[in-house]
Amino acid sequence: SQTIHQWPATLVQPVGSPLSLECTVEGTSNPNLYWYRQAAGRGLQLLFYSVGIGQISSEVPQNLSASRPQDRQFILSSKKLLLSDSGFYLCAYKRGEITGELFFGEGSRLTVL
Amino acid sequence: KNQVEQSPQSLIILEGKNCTLQCNYTVSPFSNLRWYKQDTGRGPVSLTIMTFSENTKSNGRYTATLDADTKQSSLHITASQLSDSASYICVVSAGNYQLIWGAGTKLIIKP
Repeated sequence: SQTIHQWPATLVQPVGSPLSLECTVEGTSNPNLYWYRQAAGRGLQLLFYSVGIGQISSEVPQNLSASRPQDRQFILSSKKLLLSDSGFYLCAYKRGEITGELFFGEGSRLTVL
Repeated sequence: KNQVEQSPQSLIILEGKNCTLQCNYTVSPFSNLRWYKQDTGRGPVSLTIMTFSENTKSNGRYTATLDADTKQSSLHITASQLSDSASYICVVSAGNYQLIWGAGTKLIIKP
């Protein structure tokens, strides 16, 4: 069966510090992978998606970057966090190209102080 | 501009009661519409998907409807349970696989 793991679950970081959120998928190969951010009272915002190793598409220019060093690993990073980077970050993979159902990880709550 | 609007923003009902959540969209071209349930602090989980030709689809106590002419969808929850407390998110897929997310309805079930 397919599973998705995301960590850490919660993170409190000072402004200007680096960030690394990790996501791994098991039980499938060459998945489409996604990073979303969810702000309170707003819809999910797509940050990055990847259709293969080393292939990253950015949807929103910002302080964050993403990398896909392995087929089933997706990493969200920042060199210097801003207060506005606080939020709930979700990693997801897509199953079914036509129906496009997304399966999400448990999320990472980032608080930048 | 592609948009998905959900109402109400939040809703409180008593356990055992029914409720209906609304989703209006202006997305073109339309591919499908999906409802997700998101428990607090967790990732969303798909409840149901509606394609253009489908009017009604049920998943247990959840029933989704779609009116492609008026571009409206609803999610009806029957005999609510405490575990139904969550945010319910409507997502519309455009023809280019772009997903347009609603802000969600926060549902609270009180005993």
